[in-house]
Amino acid sequence: EAQVTQNPRYLITVTGKKLTVTCSQNMNHEYMSWYRQDPGLGLRQIYYSMNVEVTDKGDVPEGYKVSRKEKRNFPLILESPSPNQTSLYFCASSLSGGTGGSGYTFGSGTRLTVV
Amino acid sequence: GQNIDQPTEMTATEGAIVQINCTYQTSGFNGLFWYQQHAGEAPTFLSYNVLDGLEEKGRFSSFLSRSKGYSYLLLKELQMKDSASYLCAVPNAGNNRKLIWGLGTSLAVNP
Repeated sequence: EAQVTQNPRYLITVTGKKLTVTCSQNMNHEYMSWYRQDPGLGLRQIYYSMNVEVTDKGDVPEGYKVSRKEKRNFPLILESPSPNQTSLYFCASSLSGGTGGSGYTFGSGTRLTVV
Repeated sequence: GQNIDQPTEMTATEGAIVQINCTYQTSGFNGLFWYQQHAGEAPTFLSYNVLDGLEEKGRFSSFLSRSKGYSYLLLKELQMKDSASYLCAVPNAGNNRKLIWGLGTSLAVNP
């Protein structure tokens, strides 16, 4: 089944404790992206990647890091999480990013709480 | 600037038809997406319009007018499971690898 797999689904952590949210896709998509979604603010892009070793900042990259060492994996790293990073996070992949009719396939989401 | 506007909330009755509007401002146009998102779940792709007119997919149809910067999603024969948020998005004119998202329209379908 074609899918984007995110882990974990839920995570509660403490301020300053480094964490990684994993994302993997099995569709051979070149484009991958991370979003956070907050009430009243909608989906905001954190980082995106056009291909292996090619990453770029989205609209809200501060406090986050990403890497794209393999085509299928695009982990999101929070080096020192803070409470304002409490949010619902989505990984997404696509054949061609914002163009083309294929759209994005989203992972199931990770609900992160930083206390 | 670039912007998307959608109504925040709508209510409709099971079996009815509802139209969810989306207006956008962008300096260049590379298509418009509609996604459905149930509460706490991931958005799922519904449609992509790049040419003017109506495209039908079963109970869901999507319309685009590029000259008016306007799109709508039409949902027919509403079912309770259609209660969800509907998101409109367009590629960023300066970087079409990024999408500009609307805040979504929360649709409640009542019996």
